[in-house]
Amino acid sequence: DQQVKQNSPSLSVQEGRISILNCDYTNSMFDYFLWYKKYPAEGPTFLISISSIKDKNEDGRFTVFLNKSAKHLSLHIVPSQPGDSAVYFCAASHTGTYKYIFGTGTRLKVLA
Amino acid sequence: DAGVIQSPRHEVTEMGQEVTLRCKPISGHNSLFWYRQTMMRGLELLIYFNNNVPIDDSGMPEDRFSAKMPNASFSTLKIQPSEPRDSAVYFCASSQDIGYTFGSGTRLTVV
Repeated sequence: DQQVKQNSPSLSVQEGRISILNCDYTNSMFDYFLWYKKYPAEGPTFLISISSIKDKNEDGRFTVFLNKSAKHLSLHIVPSQPGDSAVYFCAASHTGTYKYIFGTGTRLKVLA
Repeated sequence: DAGVIQSPRHEVTEMGQEVTLRCKPISGHNSLFWYRQTMMRGLELLIYFNNNVPIDDSGMPEDRFSAKMPNASFSTLKIQPSEPRDSAVYFCASSQDIGYTFGSGTRLTVV
């Protein structure tokens, strides 16, 4: 049973436009969420996080939105750059555990 | 800081052979995780250790998989015997608090 789902395996966006990556979760106990970015032949690297007490967190070009009632979060990248082309994973956890459950990833391609 | 170090980077082995993957976490991090990445399932948690003690191994797929953490600076993931369906990228990650730092992974191919 996939507790964290990224239903879009891939996404292509024109440079300068907005990229929106989506993630859904099923476990209502999850209260902390992260996004990781992964380039080929490298390990995933932390990008941005959000706690369930917030509905938005912004860091430069990256903003994560959380809709708890819908059990949905999204990552917005504005403006998108070719260097943003990577696989993006969302991950979720709940208080009291060190364990993160990851989604299957979305491959973003930003076209120059 | 050298980050999380995994070895080897690539491993090609024949079906039935034993495979050992190695990981050196970041010094001071008290949690260590082994993940497997496949196209179908994304990043799957196999096992995690806290203060060198296995806390949750429910993700280990079969008895053929085993993991150890004899001390705070070293962990191994062993597959014996290996099968073609074990082919994947295996990541080690360590953590001190919130968020992980991942190693570069070991790409395992079992032929």
